[in-house]
Amino acid sequence: DTEVTQTPKHLVMGMTNKKSLKCEQHMGHRAMYWYKQKAKKPPELMFVYSYEKLSINESVPSRFSPECPNSSLLNLHLHALQPEDSALYLCASSQDVGETQYFGPGTRLLVL
Amino acid sequence: QKEVEQNSGPLSVPEGAIASLNCTYSDRGSQSFFWYRQYSGKSPELIMFIYSNGDKEDGRFTAQLNKASQYVSLLIRDSQPSDSATYLCASPLRGNTPLVFGKGTRLSVIA
Repeated sequence: DTEVTQTPKHLVMGMTNKKSLKCEQHMGHRAMYWYKQKAKKPPELMFVYSYEKLSINESVPSRFSPECPNSSLLNLHLHALQPEDSALYLCASSQDVGETQYFGPGTRLLVL
Repeated sequence: QKEVEQNSGPLSVPEGAIASLNCTYSDRGSQSFFWYRQYSGKSPELIMFIYSNGDKEDGRFTAQLNKASQYVSLLIRDSQPSDSATYLCASPLRGNTPLVFGKGTRLSVIA
């Protein structure tokens, strides 16, 4: 089973709202990732967790706050987002950093 | 800057033809390469990975790696309209680093 799940599938939020995106995998993978993808662009790496520790933050604005409660779960907390943050947010996992990555279905976010 | 380069296309091929998608990379030390398919509005789906020089076949898909030329390609035989998608090439380039993605090549298979 190579399934990564993400909730919600779609999210509409105002610029003053606080919301969270969730990601889960049960493959025993030790690396988990958040990507942002705009239309007709490749996925853009945001954060990497390795063994439940944040190992890479690609200079992401603080209005995005990642959290890894345990080895199977990854959250992305959103606060005071801007309309330009509207995008497809993808979660991925791999056995270790640099190995085969499996993507979840994504959360389509619209910020009004 | 460590990079993975792809021609963004669109690449149009007739149904039943061979589609050839190409990717070059900047770091001669790169060891592993991945091909993902992404349908519009969906997430990337792994098609194949290749580590060794030469060809690797899986059904209608063949990945080819030439480390001397720093070149990796994906061939799709007997292309079908359902193959129409964006194909992303990716590599960790060197060491235990996250995958670096190319910009993707948009493939259109015309019935």
